[in-house]
Amino acid sequence: DAKTTQPNSMESNEEEPVHLPCNHSTISGTDYIHWYRQLPSQGPEYVIHGLTSNVNNRMASLAIAEDRKSSTLILHRATLRDAAVYYCILSRGSGYALNFGKGTSLLVTP
Amino acid sequence: GAVVSQHPSWVICKSGTSVKIECRSLDFQATTMFWYRQFPKQSLMLMATSNEGSKATYEQGVEKDKFLINHASLTLSTLTVTSAHPEDSSFYICSASQLLGGQGTDTQYFGPGTRLTVL
Repeated sequence: DAKTTQPNSMESNEEEPVHLPCNHSTISGTDYIHWYRQLPSQGPEYVIHGLTSNVNNRMASLAIAEDRKSSTLILHRATLRDAAVYYCILSRGSGYALNFGKGTSLLVTP
Repeated sequence: GAVVSQHPSWVICKSGTSVKIECRSLDFQATTMFWYRQFPKQSLMLMATSNEGSKATYEQGVEKDKFLINHASLTLSTLTVTSAHPEDSSFYICSASQLLGGQGTDTQYFGPGTRLTVL
């Protein structure tokens, strides 16, 4: 499985935008880029996913580099409730388990 | 979004007893469900992949006779930890896979997790 690399931790001020980077230099042409987040003592929560084009949904935006070797999850206005571990995961398609790395622990300060 | 429930949310049991954890997809049918566990300050580790009506596929190092998985319907999978020991204490999380039309990949929706403590 192609691996992803994320910073261990990031910090943001409340109501500021947050850009969470992810490197996946060995991504294959059929790999989708998924982002999940996990709040303390909870199961992971789906955030967004994409293949080649940038994606937007009510939670976040996903910017995918043209060569697909990196991507950035964008939270437009961080809130205290966005403090979580964010995981960038590559998935080949349907029916495959997700390979969780260490993720990025996001701290949001008031 | 799709909802997955788990029951119980936490359980404390004595060493040597068995514990059953239920995972249900409440508003969609999931042909594939997954079981993960998470130790403190670590990431999720896949235990097994469960397909409705067939035997689960276990990851290397996970004992299939100790962690019994039953996927009886498209909305229910159960994990039974048999003869639990203190080292089985962990956070157990299930997920259910949903593939929507037009999407080339599925989305996994996770349950809230079950905290198991074995005394």
